[in-house]
Amino acid sequence: EAQVTQNPRYLITVTGKKLTVTCSQNMNHEYMSWYRQDPGLGLRQIYYSMNVEVTDKGDVPEGYKVSRKEKRNFPLILESPSPNQTSLYFCASNNYLGGTQYFGPGTRLTVL
Amino acid sequence: KQEVTQIPAALSVPEGENLVLNCSFTDSAIYNLQWFRQDPGKGLTSLLLIQSSQREQTSGRLNASLDKSSGRSTLYIAASQPGDSATYLCAVIPGGNEKLTFGTGTRLTIIP
Repeated sequence: EAQVTQNPRYLITVTGKKLTVTCSQNMNHEYMSWYRQDPGLGLRQIYYSMNVEVTDKGDVPEGYKVSRKEKRNFPLILESPSPNQTSLYFCASNNYLGGTQYFGPGTRLTVL
Repeated sequence: KQEVTQIPAALSVPEGENLVLNCSFTDSAIYNLQWFRQDPGKGLTSLLLIQSSQREQTSGRLNASLDKSSGRSTLYIAASQPGDSATYLCAVIPGGNEKLTFGTGTRLTIIP
């Protein structure tokens, strides 16, 4: 089954404790993205990747890191999480520039 | 900076009615526009993608139109059903990169 998977689905952590949210797709897509969704602010793009080792900032990259060492994986790293990073995070992939986006199920992160 | 607006924020209609959801964007230099639905607690599911050169796209009971010059897109849902209840989001993509900008969505409730 073609899908985008994210882990963990739910995470509660404390300020300053480094964490990684994994994202993997099995569709051999070139493009992958991370978004956060907040009430009243909607979905905002954090980072996107156009291929292995090629990444670029979205609208809200501060406090996040990404890497794309393999085509199928695009982890999101929070080096020192803060409470304002409490949010619902989505990973997505698509197979060509501007193509249909396939979303993962989301990761709900709470930073205390 | 691109801004995407969806009005109304919420809409309730009786089952069986036809309805139109609106999406407005400020910068007409877009590559394409996508419509998604999001069910509570779930990820986004792509409904329709309209290339900038197209005027409309259809899938089943859904029809999406695009008027770049006026910065508007509409999603028409025919013969609405309770299963159509969800939040509907539109997203625009500029040319040359994957920086999607999402609207804040319209929460649709179909009343049986």
